[in-house]
Amino acid sequence: DIQMTQSPSTLSASVGDRVTITCRASQSIGDWLAWYQQKPGKAPRLLIYKASSLKRGVPSRFSGSGSGTEFTLTISSLQPDDFASYYCQQCKSYSTFGQGTKLE
Amino acid sequence: EVQLVESGGDLVQPGGSLRLSCAASGFSLYDHAMHWVRQPPGKGLEWVSGISWNGGDIGYADSVKGRFTISRDNAKNSLYLQMNSLRTDDTALYYCAKDINGAQYYALDVWGQGTTVTVSS
Repeated sequence: DIQMTQSPSTLSASVGDRVTITCRASQSIGDWLAWYQQKPGKAPRLLIYKASSLKRGVPSRFSGSGSGTEFTLTISSLQPDDFASYYCQQCKSYSTFGQGTKLE
Repeated sequence: EVQLVESGGDLVQPGGSLRLSCAASGFSLYDHAMHWVRQPPGKGLEWVSGISWNGGDIGYADSVKGRFTISRDNAKNSLYLQMNSLRTDDTALYYCAKDINGAQYYALDVWGQGTTVTVSS
């Protein structure tokens, strides 16, 4: 099975900051990676798919990059609405989520 | 409006069984792979199972393999998860989610609000 490891587990930041979350796969997954945002008491929301494709309607301050085993989610200028948990997910071999990053 | 509504969650004793259902509306289930994802209280997301558009490709997390069975009825626009030999660590909020793609898993772009499964004596 493919394991996904996110870092950091918790990230402290302020409005306006540029933040980056990293996700590493235990083996190459090409660009079969998605990113999700989840707020307390809500279902996850898809942000990015195929490593770097922005889902329609998601603000352009969100971007994804990487391929193979290392991926990043970047928020260019943090907004108050962005404080949430973020998860990566591989879809190369069935599926696995990372353990999550709480942005506070 | 594209919507997924889960049902069937309950309190069940260890070793018991439960069947979750997910009703889709606003789109045809036929065109999409579908998934179950769970989230234990206060913890992260865990992919549980996925099924391709025609049921020809099915996958399970190791933690549920041999105990859970995913199925779909495209004519009823519904997804199911049969859960047997339930354990206390199966306690979670169970989400149904729609894949962007039909065959190869891609990404989950529509999620239900979840149904709660509690396994306890």
